[in-house]
Amino acid sequence: ETGVTQTPRHLVMGMTNKKSLKCEQHLGHNAMYWYKQSAKKPLELMFVYNFKEQTENNSVPSRFSPECPNSSHLFLHLHTLQPEDSALYLCASSQEIGGSYSPLHFGNGTRLTVT
Amino acid sequence: TQLLEQSPQFLSIQEGENLTVYCNSSSVFSSLQWYRQEPGEGPVLLVTVVTGGEVKKLKRLTFQFGDARKDSSLHITAAQPGDTGLYLCAGVFGDMRFGAGTRLTVKP
Repeated sequence: ETGVTQTPRHLVMGMTNKKSLKCEQHLGHNAMYWYKQSAKKPLELMFVYNFKEQTENNSVPSRFSPECPNSSHLFLHLHTLQPEDSALYLCASSQEIGGSYSPLHFGNGTRLTVT
Repeated sequence: TQLLEQSPQFLSIQEGENLTVYCNSSSVFSSLQWYRQEPGEGPVLLVTVVTGGEVKKLKRLTFQFGDARKDSSLHITAAQPGDTGLYLCAGVFGDMRFGAGTRLTVKP
């Protein structure tokens, strides 16, 4: 079983739909993250949770709404998305935030297509 | 302007060749990490470098951290098709920031 599991792997949704991405980590880590990966652009940090508390929101539009019910689970709720939101959404976890010896462990991502 | 600049953006070579990819910034990192991402998967950590001038080796991969801790390089010796992937550098500036990556293709 992989350390960080994301579901679904692929998602196609219309601009008026509401959907949720799920992430679960089995590593006992305290921090969880959502990143957006678009072609030819750096990974964009969206949200950071530390011990279930949101510590960072990098000016992400309100159509993306994160939820972290416990330190093992992270959700990204999506509504009224735009076509430019199509991307690979990666979840990651780490033992602590910002530590030099606390690398990120990524899931395999959800490939989102907004039509 | 990106915080971390990676070059080249794309690299296609034949099996057995050597290559070097670069990660540069105008800022000083407290540490730097290299990840490899294969198609359909998330990035996987290769190495962390912390000390200026540090060199780490991972089989055929050699990682170097610049003396001023503003740049890093990854050298691959005798590349193999299994080395194909997106190589990402990430600098710790309090939180972690990524470069756009170098997409490497090694042809048999």
